[in-house]
Amino acid sequence: GESVGLHLPTLSVQEGDNSIINCAYSNSASDYFIWYKQESGKGPQFIIDIRSNMDKRQGQRVTVLLNKTVKHLSLQIAATQPGDSAVYFCAESDRGSTLGRLYFGRGTQLTVWP
Amino acid sequence: DAGVIQSPRHEVTEMGQEVTLRCKPISGHNSLFWYRQTMMRGLELLIYFNNNVPIDDSGMPEDRFSAKMPNASFSTLKIQPSEPRDSAVYFCASNRRAGVAGELFFGEGSRLTVL
Repeated sequence: GESVGLHLPTLSVQEGDNSIINCAYSNSASDYFIWYKQESGKGPQFIIDIRSNMDKRQGQRVTVLLNKTVKHLSLQIAATQPGDSAVYFCAESDRGSTLGRLYFGRGTQLTVWP
Repeated sequence: DAGVIQSPRHEVTEMGQEVTLRCKPISGHNSLFWYRQTMMRGLELLIYFNNNVPIDDSGMPEDRFSAKMPNASFSTLKIQPSEPRDSAVYFCASNRRAGVAGELFFGEGSRLTVL
């Protein structure tokens, strides 16, 4: 349950483009996933979550996709803005056994160019 | 509403000194987590409490680290004696429901530098 990783450590996009940040997890028992955004000098902030009984969930300008078959999670940000520049973390949990613990990935640095 | 409050925000100390970091979780939250963040290791869970009871302290690196939660509104993380490799940002986070993974609310962190 502790092997949550990211395909790309850095991602650079132009303002207005869509961003896709990927995350792989290894625990097939994980049934709850969260994306966090961390701006420089601040604590991580919740973006969106998804339970394993869903494949897709949408928020404001963000969409999370879950592919349980290949244990892959992605965060899509539409019309990326300079304020989206941050480190993005995925986190997973097996809610049946981990007593509330979340396992975090290493993070992806998103840089948005004007 | 006040979020998770941590103090101090920054601390610079010398090797061998005692360091105490403090956290006030969001009122009504029943779980509290201490994380350490470094460039090399990312976010590491040190210890977490459910209803003020320590559940898992396997992430505490050494006996030099200790954490307490004497009541629902206060927790401390103590390092004694501190070493340069303890330099990191320490985050406290709280969760509304004890024992059920959900949205963690993080504080702004305490940046520790041990010289």
